[in-house]
Amino acid sequence: GAVVSQHPSWVICKSGTSVKIECRSLDFQATTMFWYRQFPKQSLMLMATSNEGSKATYEQGVEKDKFLINHASLTLSTLTVTSAHPEDSSFYICSARVAGIDNTQYFGPGTRLTVL
Amino acid sequence: GENVEQHPSTLSVQEGDSAVIKCTYSDSASNYFPWYKQELGKRPQLIIDIRSNVGEKKDQRIAVTLNKTAKHFSLHITETQPEDSAVYFCAASRYSGAGSYQLTFGKGTKLSVIP
Repeated sequence: GAVVSQHPSWVICKSGTSVKIECRSLDFQATTMFWYRQFPKQSLMLMATSNEGSKATYEQGVEKDKFLINHASLTLSTLTVTSAHPEDSSFYICSARVAGIDNTQYFGPGTRLTVL
Repeated sequence: GENVEQHPSTLSVQEGDSAVIKCTYSDSASNYFPWYKQELGKRPQLIIDIRSNVGEKKDQRIAVTLNKTAKHFSLHITETQPEDSAVYFCAASRYSGAGSYQLTFGKGTKLSVIP
């Protein structure tokens, strides 16, 4: 149980284009999903917290107009990187928390984004 | 906000020896402390966690200890094997409002087990 999928697993795009990444909880409902960014050999940095049916809460320094988050259902959250630039190239990982009082987070497999 | 410090950043041990990774946290309201193992290019995998009402937890070769007074917790791996080689992250979780619990991660420890 508690499986989280992410799509696509890797994407290469041209500078200026937008990229959408999907995060799904496959066998449980996730009222809260989290989006992280990880640079090579570094830790996971929380970008935003996504709650189903409400606006995402962004961490300080993360541009909400550049990283659009939509959590339309209890099993799906999407992150759209708008007008991507080479500095946006990174490993993006989502996680989901099982609805209820448990605060355990389960991670998706990540999406490797390369912006040319 | 929460700040999690993790040491060491790299650790090499001989196969069969024990490995210990230590973390400290700053927010006394944190009450959940998971440890994740991440292999290169893959997702972080939860390997063990501990909650603030428990001082120690063990799962086969892996154990975690928590000292709430001192605000530090440690991961212990005994009888290490080459497949234990990975980056290990500690984290601390606190309630951040609106039904949400945020994780703050340490910077990671790259563990290498030498055959």
